[in-house]
Amino acid sequence: EVQLLESGGGLVQPGGSLRLSCAASGFTFSSYAMSWVRQAPGKGLEWVSTIRSGSGRTYYADSVKGRFTISRDNSKNTLYVQMNSLRAEDTAVYYCAKPITTSGVGDLDAYDIWGQGTMVTVSS
Amino acid sequence: QSVLTQPPSASGTPGQRVTISCFGSSSNIARNTVNWYQQLPGTAPKLLMYNNNQRPSGVPDRFSGSKSGTSASLAISGLQSEDEADYYCAAWDDRLNGHVVFGGGTKLTVL
Repeated sequence: EVQLLESGGGLVQPGGSLRLSCAASGFTFSSYAMSWVRQAPGKGLEWVSTIRSGSGRTYYADSVKGRFTISRDNSKNTLYVQMNSLRAEDTAVYYCAKPITTSGVGDLDAYDIWGQGTMVTVSS
Repeated sequence: QSVLTQPPSASGTPGQRVTISCFGSSSNIARNTVNWYQQLPGTAPKLLMYNNNQRPSGVPDRFSGSKSGTSASLAISGLQSEDEADYYCAAWDDRLNGHVVFGGGTKLTVL
């Protein structure tokens, strides 16, 4: 069964740091670009970041650029996002997401598998 | 404010056909394909449509997608009570080194 399992969420003070992990199973993790998408309470979906499979090229939303770093460990089938200088507006459920294909149309943005999400709360 | 524009709400009665629109621009929908997600309360989003009009395995053919120019739409025919959910469009945007943009979401109510 294809599965994504996020962990690492919690309560952190403004200006603090947190690292989220996403353990993947049931597919060839190294072949897929992987992404983080977040959803603030009662709000819509917001894309956060994507990392390609082969090149490791990364993409970030303007709202997190310079503060968040996406990475992956293909030997551990795990995706990460290091979140620094956290702000109240970063409070959200963070999902990791796998695209439906390894290459071509949709390989960066058509997410067919999502994790259950991990909640990050930034508050003093 | 979302880059892609969707109506905040839509509604229909069982059996009806409803359409949800998604408006973008030359840097996203006009140049790239559109994906649609369905999110039931308290659950993770589910891919409903990709590459404008392709249904992933398991998605009923009651759902269909289309794209023209800078806009896209999702149609649901034979509306059912279990279709009540939030629907989001999304696309790759070529500006700023490339990024994914989502619509603000449409809450579909089955009356």
